[in-house]
Amino acid sequence: GAVVSQHPSRVICKSGTSVKIECRSLDFQATTMFWYRQFPKQSLMLMATSNEGSKATYEQGVEKDKFLINHASLTLSTLTVTSAHPEDSSFYICSATLPAGGGLGTEAFFGQGTRLTVV
Amino acid sequence: AQSVTQPDIHITVSEGASLELRCNYSYGATPYLFWYVQSPGQGLQLLLKYFSGDTLVQGIKGFEAEFKRSQSSFNLRKPSVHWSDAAEYFCAVGPGYSSASKIIFGSGTRLSIRP
Repeated sequence: GAVVSQHPSRVICKSGTSVKIECRSLDFQATTMFWYRQFPKQSLMLMATSNEGSKATYEQGVEKDKFLINHASLTLSTLTVTSAHPEDSSFYICSATLPAGGGLGTEAFFGQGTRLTVV
Repeated sequence: AQSVTQPDIHITVSEGASLELRCNYSYGATPYLFWYVQSPGQGLQLLLKYFSGDTLVQGIKGFEAEFKRSQSSFNLRKPSVHWSDAAEYFCAVGPGYSSASKIIFGSGTRLSIRP
């Protein structure tokens, strides 16, 4: 299957600093990628849809200025948590979807996730 | 509104016993349904998916799921669980016809295995 690589897997930063998380599709081109946030023992909450070459589409309640998304190429999307605070500590996961072809729908492939801790 | 409900937050079964994880969905059109598994601190792995055709879908690791339109359900089953099946399981729904499609996740069911 297709591979989505997310980096870093863990990051600890000081309150007030910014952190960038990268999401790469290694063997396919992804015009659309998705960013999720997952709180402990909870489900994935879709934060935004990242569109190559255009602005991201944010879900209701997600701060655009706090979570900056850039999708500059067909294989890379980045999520920057700006002026991070302890409440931003969470597990962030990206995904990219491939058409299955033949009318079989699509399949989403997920990165390994990034554990962000803001101290 | 689109939604996915997994009524069981946590299930514990004995190793070797059968398993059924429940999933109900609400979707305005023909749903594309998925089951994912997540190990602690990891991303998600697709177990199986249903788009059309046979309503009983076979997946990896011995899992299967049955789509029942009349009940709006897509329950996951395994005849005999192994200790390595302990993980978090997510049911998800999406339109599936485009790579830009959003996937909506259920709240997850944590599976523990009793030795």
